[in-house]
Order: sequence, then C-alpha cells, then structure tokens
Amino acid sequence: DGGITQSPKYLFRKEGQNVTLSCEQNLNHDAMYWYRQDPGQGLRLIYYSQIVNDFQKGDIAEGYSVSREKKESFPLTVTSAQKNPTAFYLCASSPNPLAGYQETQYFGPGTRLLVL
Amino acid sequence: DAKTTQPPSMDCAEGRAANLPCNHSTISGNEYVYWYRQIHSQGPQYIIHGLKNNETNEMASLIITEDRKSSTLILPHATLRDTAVYYCIVRAAYSGAGSYQLTFGKGTKLSVIP
Repeated sequence: DGGITQSPKYLFRKEGQNVTLSCEQNLNHDAMYWYRQDPGQGLRLIYYSQIVNDFQKGDIAEGYSVSREKKESFPLTVTSAQKNPTAFYLCASSPNPLAGYQETQYFGPGTRLLVL
Repeated sequence: DAKTTQPPSMDCAEGRAANLPCNHSTISGNEYVYWYRQIHSQGPQYIIHGLKNNETNEMASLIITEDRKSSTLILPHATLRDTAVYYCIVRAAYSGAGSYQLTFGKGTKLSVIP
C-alpha cells in the first residue's frame, strides 16, 4: 500500500521538552512538507524539502527543526523554543518539484500534539 | 495565488449529487483549480484538479466555467462518508519563491444527511 504515514497519532509534550514527529512516505516523491493546523484555521507551512539533504523554512519555522537524510523520511522536531506547540501537524509529499512545475501534494493522517 | 470564495456550509441528501461552488474571479491564466477535502481529525485528501477543461475521476467531477472565474465540484452520489470540509484552492502551475505552500481557506462544510 503506497502512502504517507505519520506517527504517533497523538503526542504529549511536557514543558521544556523537545519532541519529534515522524513522517515516512513510500511514494518515491522527492518533495516533502510540514504544515501546522490550528482549530478552525487553514494550514501554515513550517518547513519543506525538495530533495534529500536540503530543506527550506516556511512561514512559521521558528521553534521547529527538520532533517532530510533519506528520501522517504522527513522528521519534525518541536523544540522547547516553540511556545505554543499545541496543534494538528500534517506531513505532505509531492513528486519532483525541481522541473519548475508544481505537483499535487498528498497528505498523511496527521499527528495531534498536546502540551501537558 | 488567487483568492477563492466558498459558501461556509451546505447540506445534501444521501444518494443525491452534491454540487459545491467556488468563486475565483481573479484567477490568472497559469493557475490551476484544486479541490481537497478534510474529514474531521484527518489529513486533507486530494480530490481533483483542472486548468480549463472539465475533469472527472473516480471520486468527483470538476466543472470550470469558460471564463474560469468559477468552478463546481460534483460528488455524483453523496454518501455519509463524504461529510467533510471541502477546500477549493487556486495554485500557480509553476513554482516560484513562496509558492510551495498550499493556501487553504475556510472551505465549505458539507453535511450529507440520511
């Protein structure tokens, strides 16, 4: 079954703690994205990666970090510097964007992060 | 990317066609119309997209007006599982600085009623 998986489905963070959200895809897509969704709001881009070992900040990157060591994986770390981390986090991927033509983005099921 | 306008909510009887409108009067020539839906507490699901011709796939049909200023997503036989928020997005065909983000507005909450 091809698709995007995110784990865990729910994650609890204590004050001052860093937590890492997993995102894996087996679609052979080059590009991967992290979005944040707050209740009743649209999606906001945190980070994106067009190719392995390269990533770029989105609109709200402060307090977050990412890595892209493998094509299939794009983990997101929510650091203690992110003061309001409670949200629904969505990972997406798309085929090769470097041709200049924007491809359709496909989303994972999401991880809901809650602060204790 | 151009702005879109959708009704905040709609009801549809189960088994009937659901027709969801979207206004995108400022769309430019190289912008596509995309539709996604989001069922409560799940990730957005891609439905369909098009440039100027009508499109159909296994999930839905997309009708784009000749002037491209509006479009309609049609779910031919709505089921209870189609209850979701439907988002119409206009997006440039070619990437550029800051264009990777998908901009989701408030969408239309479709309720399919038994």
